[in-house]
Amino acid sequence: QVQLVESGGGVVQPGRSLRLSCAASGFTLSSYGMHWVRQAPGKGLEWVSVIRYDGSKSYYADSVKGRFTISRDKAGNTLYLQMNSLRAEDTAVYYCARDMRPYGDPRDYLDHWGQGTLVTVSS
Amino acid sequence: QSALTQPASVSGSPGQSITLSCTGTSSDIGGYNQVSWYQHHPGKAPKLIIYEVGNRPSGISNRFSGSKSGNTASLTISGLQTEDEADYYCGSYTSGNTLVFGGGTKLTVL
Repeated sequence: QVQLVESGGGVVQPGRSLRLSCAASGFTLSSYGMHWVRQAPGKGLEWVSVIRYDGSKSYYADSVKGRFTISRDKAGNTLYLQMNSLRAEDTAVYYCARDMRPYGDPRDYLDHWGQGTLVTVSS
Repeated sequence: QSALTQPASVSGSPGQSITLSCTGTSSDIGGYNQVSWYQHHPGKAPKLIIYEVGNRPSGISNRFSGSKSGNTASLTISGLQTEDEADYYCGSYTSGNTLVFGGGTKLTVL
């Protein structure tokens, strides 16, 4: 059974950094592309980033490019999102999601999701 | 990249059929067949219900169907059930090599 569990959320001041983790079970993380998607309070879903199955390439939304970095633990089954220079508008529930295909591309579809972790950026 | 446009809310009665719309541009929905729909019960993990315009993942009821015409994608739910009450989001690949979602439609089953 595929399971994704996000962690690492919390309250952080503007300009600071935070790293989110996503623990995967029931499948091999290195065989699938993986995404991060966020949802601000009262708003819709916003795609954040995707990484290929082998970590060789990643893509980002313009709103986070240059500030966020997606990565994966090659030895284990964990996905990460390093978030730097955080802003109030980054406040959201962050979901990790598995790509339907190994490639890991913005063209693909997200067939399994976690339940999310809340990040609040506030002074 | 602007979010796709979805009506904020739609309602229907059990047994009815309803159609949710999702409007984009030629740079997203109109230019590609990488269109998807997700069902989200608040507090739970979102679920993929339609991919590549009209395909259903394994285990998804055939009461859900998808289509596209021009810059607008549609999700039809037939034989509406109370458990269908949820938020629905459309998604599309874009010419900017990103994925964009709609603002979501809250479906109420009266």
